[in-house]
Amino acid sequence: EAGVAQSPRYKIIEKRQSVAFWCNPISGHATLYWYQQILGQGPKLLIQFQNNGVVDDSQLPKDRFSAERLKGVDSTLKIQPAKLEDSAVYLCASRQSFGNSPLHFGNGTRLTVT
Amino acid sequence: GQNIDQPTEMTATEGAIVQINCTYQTSGFNGLFWYQQHAGEAPTFLSYNVLDGLEEKGRFSSFLSRSKGYSYLLLKELQMKDSASYLCAARTGAGSYQLTFGKGTKLSVIP
Repeated sequence: EAGVAQSPRYKIIEKRQSVAFWCNPISGHATLYWYQQILGQGPKLLIQFQNNGVVDDSQLPKDRFSAERLKGVDSTLKIQPAKLEDSAVYLCASRQSFGNSPLHFGNGTRLTVT
Repeated sequence: GQNIDQPTEMTATEGAIVQINCTYQTSGFNGLFWYQQHAGEAPTFLSYNVLDGLEEKGRFSSFLSRSKGYSYLLLKELQMKDSASYLCAARTGAGSYQLTFGKGTKLSVIP
């Protein structure tokens, strides 16, 4: 099966600019997650979707971050305006919504804010 | 709150056995995952334990003790390609199914 697709692979922007990341989950996976992974740390959950609804966005900095999954398939994560501390890899993951099926991750988007 | 601890770095010799420990303190605990992450790549699923005991999968085994809040990943017959970060993650939230990750253990396999 095709894996989780993410784009772009890399992005460099200046602080205060905006940026958007795109994710296409594995076909049939209703649950989708966005994680932020700062260098040398484990992934930190930003937001979780079930189909097109938000399950948990408690750790999403809502003053600058937004995410949507309008049709319950693809998702976009946006940062506006970006700060230096947003430099990280943004990982998208998806899973089937039953049992203990694991999360499948995409290769991520490496964001550098200068 | 959620707290997951694992060593930052480990070094082991090719062909040897290495054990990576993980301790956790989480609310709503519902299982423990191990993921492997090579530099610049996505985390990939290795194992999952929900009951106490040992789960074996080829060269990799994972152990869980829920009463002690403790897990370990055992890698046998180490190969150079096993050099990677190993992430311990606790599943929390029976309904929402979320993974809280530790900071990862960077394993270096040397000849």
